[in-house]
Amino acid sequence: EIVLTQSPATLSLSPGERATLSCRASQTVTNHLAWYQQKPGQVPRLLIYNAFNRATGIPVRFSGSGSGTDFTLTISSLEPEDFAVYYCQQRINRGTFGPGTKVEIK
Amino acid sequence: DVQLVESGGGLVQPGRSLRLSCTGSGFTFGDYPMGWVRQAPGKGLEWVGFIRRTSYGATPESAASLEDRFTVSRDDSKATVYLQMNSLKTEDTGLYYCIREIQGQGAGEYWGQGTLVTVSS
Repeated sequence: EIVLTQSPATLSLSPGERATLSCRASQTVTNHLAWYQQKPGQVPRLLIYNAFNRATGIPVRFSGSGSGTDFTLTISSLEPEDFAVYYCQQRINRGTFGPGTKVEIK
Repeated sequence: DVQLVESGGGLVQPGRSLRLSCTGSGFTFGDYPMGWVRQAPGKGLEWVGFIRRTSYGATPESAASLEDRFTVSRDDSKATVYLQMNSLKTEDTGLYYCIREIQGQGAGEYWGQGTLVTVSS
């Protein structure tokens, strides 16, 4: 099973700051990596697929990069609605999710 | 609009079986791979399984830790995907989401609201 590790576990930032979230796979997933956002009590929302493609309706401040085993989700300037938990997911070999990174207000 | 509606959740005793259903609308159901993701109370997301679209054989895959108990199937004539769960354990308790995947990528583009499964005696 491919294991995904996300860092940091918690990111404390202020609105307007840049957020950089990391996801590392235990073996290559090529570009079959997606990112999701989940707010309390809400259904997860797809942000990025294929490592760098923004899903429909996702603002341009969200961007994804990486390939192979190391991936990054960047939020260029945090909006108040961006404080949430972010998960990465691989689907090249069955599927697994990372444990999540919580982006909280500093 | 794409809609996914799950049903079939509820309270079930350990060791029993349960079948979840998810009906899709607003899209050509048979053209898409469909999957299931679950979330235990207060925990993260866990991939459960998926089934390929019919033109790719409608073959299912489940998480390795679940494949001996959980099976995904589909009935395109009813625009419905199922999750058959056998020998349920207390740790299977959680919210089960149905997802429509992006073809060839596996990412869950659309999600249902989820159905709650509680395994308890």
